[in-house]
Amino acid sequence: AQSVTQLDSQVPVFEEAPVELRCNYSSSVSVYLFWYVQYPNQGLQLLLKYLSGSTLVKGINGFEAEFNKSQTSFHLRKPSVHISDTAEYFCAVSVWSNYQLIWGAGTKLIIKP
Amino acid sequence: DVKVTQSSRYLVKRTGEKVFLECVQDMDHENMFWYRQDPGLGLRLIYFSYDVKMKEKGDIPEGYSVSREKKERFSLILESASTNQTSMYLCAASFTGSHTVSYEQYFGPGTRLTVT
Repeated sequence: AQSVTQLDSQVPVFEEAPVELRCNYSSSVSVYLFWYVQYPNQGLQLLLKYLSGSTLVKGINGFEAEFNKSQTSFHLRKPSVHISDTAEYFCAVSVWSNYQLIWGAGTKLIIKP
Repeated sequence: DVKVTQSSRYLVKRTGEKVFLECVQDMDHENMFWYRQDPGLGLRLIYFSYDVKMKEKGDIPEGYSVSREKKERFSLILESASTNQTSMYLCAASFTGSHTVSYEQYFGPGTRLTVT
């Protein structure tokens, strides 16, 4: 069965510092990978996705992620965070047998001034 | 852009009441999903539907039912609300084309339900 692990439930970081949010998945087949962001009291919106091709994927708001097949990881990075990046970030993996996504538990990004 | 709307942002109901949560999408997407979100547990799938009048149980269907009479509308029903159903409920939609499947899901703003 497929699963997604987000290794950190919270990541505190100073404003303008770089950040990496970690995501590992388990799957015996090829997958599509997603990162979503949820700002306080809002629904989720897509940050970026990996379907195929280049393993470095760029998304909105200056975020990028790298697909590493050998390590089954899809870590999210930003070189310099802003207070507006305060949110919860979710990693998700496609399920080939149906149209579902398998979700990680989420990582709260806390920006310290 | 796909727009997914949910009937209420905040809802307070009493134990034992029947509760309806409505979700409408405007992009003719085939697949629709209901999740509940609780701190530390991420998103858990309650039910999903891949066509009108079709529904599939997700991971936590107990205490819930759904209805999809029209393609654009997917309703979640709490038959008899209980305090352990206090949660954030999120609706999502995704597209299935004739030659491609887009697993990308588009979300509504969520309904925060409190059952007292």
